[in-house]
Amino acid sequence: QKEVEQNSGPLSVPEGAIASLNCTYSDRGSQSFFWYRQYSGKSPELIMSIYSNGDKEDGRFTAQLNKASQYVSLLIRDSQPSDSATYLCAVLNNYGQNFVFGPGTRLSVLP
Amino acid sequence: DADVTQTPRNRITKTGKRIMLECSQTKGHDRMYWYRQDPGLGLRLIYYSFDVKDINKGEISDGYSVSRQAQAKFSLSLESAIPNQTALYFCATSDPHGAYGYTFGSGTRLTVV
Repeated sequence: QKEVEQNSGPLSVPEGAIASLNCTYSDRGSQSFFWYRQYSGKSPELIMSIYSNGDKEDGRFTAQLNKASQYVSLLIRDSQPSDSATYLCAVLNNYGQNFVFGPGTRLSVLP
Repeated sequence: DADVTQTPRNRITKTGKRIMLECSQTKGHDRMYWYRQDPGLGLRLIYYSFDVKDINKGEISDGYSVSRQAQAKFSLSLESAIPNQTALYFCATSDPHGAYGYTFGSGTRLTVV
């Protein structure tokens, strides 16, 4: 079983819609969770972090965390074609040594 | 200047050759990492270092070695490159507790022919 799982996609949404990206993790002791956006051939860039159960909003992005269900999600409101990228879920392992990444979900926002 | 600089950006090498990928950072962090990325497999940890004297293997360290020359420099070597080491390689650094995530370098695209 992979430690961090994501649907690989592609997830296609029309411009202006809400994109919902999901991630599950196996290490119940994990405390820190991050979402990265990666354009093709480029390095990942951090877009959201979340540490506590509930929602965290930053502009058009909302991260949601449910530690009991070991589930993290990212909502992108008013999706734009420029949001088309691969979104990586990253979980800081229980020992705080390194991040474990999911395989990423490819998002395509259609004009 | 970028916070994390990787060289070279692209490299094509032949099977059996030794190659070194270099990484330097200006964040002042002690923690540095090397990952490789393959389509569909995400980012996989090769080696990580918490200071100059502390180097640890990641999940896919076979065929690789590293050197931490200074706090700011962390190099990855392929002693005898093979085609399945063709991948995109990223260096990253983080604060002491990972609280702010990673800062990544721009990556090195390595092709072994």
